Amino acid sequence: KAGVTQTPRYLIKTRGQQVTLSCSPISGHRSVSWYQQTPGQGLQFLFEYFSETQRNKGNFPGRFSGRQFSNSRSEMNVSTLELGDSALYLCASSFPGGRTDTQYFGPGTRLTVL
Amino acid sequence: QVKQNSPSLSVQEGRISILNCDYTNSMFDYFLWYKKYPAEGPTFLISISSIKDKNEDGRFTVFLNKSAKHLSLHIVPSQPGDSAVYFCAASGNYGGSQGNLIFGKGTKLSVKP
Repeated sequence: KAGVTQTPRYLIKTRGQQVTLSCSPISGHRSVSWYQQTPGQGLQFLFEYFSETQRNKGNFPGRFSGRQFSNSRSEMNVSTLELGDSALYLCASSFPGGRTDTQYFGPGTRLTVL
Repeated sequence: QVKQNSPSLSVQEGRISILNCDYTNSMFDYFLWYKKYPAEGPTFLISISSIKDKNEDGRFTVFLNKSAKHLSLHIVPSQPGDSAVYFCAASGNYGGSQGNLIFGKGTKLSVKP
């Protein structure tokens, strides 16, 4: 099976712009979680989707949002970008989607905000 | 809530690597180790449930000491290809935990030939 894929791999934006990142989970996986990785804060949970519904959300401002489609592909959107949003954004999928089911990560999208 | 106090560790090829992780939340009941190479996402290595104190998978063994809120990953024997950043992660049985792994900040392991 193909692994988790994320597009684009690299992105450069300027402050105030918005950005959309995409994640395609492993085939058959219905749970998708998103994480932000920065040098200072490490890996932090953004949100989790299952069957097109957000089941859980981390402690991030409302500028960070996401959605999941019927084919389990997920997107996350960041509006009004700030310099501090520069990070590696990782998505992970799991099956069948229980709390202790292993999460498999994609390679990430490196976002740079100038 | 999950701490990896050693940012880096260097070991000789063939020797044992021991990576440590401490946690503070007694609600954590499931623990995982991930390995991460540069420019790649974290790769799952091994996990352990709080009902166990040891889990083995080939060269990798995870030990859990619930009373001390401490877990460790042993790699025996260490190989140069094991050089990577290792993350400890935890999941708990509490509201808001679904899909939410709490990660330590990682330990960079260097295995020297």
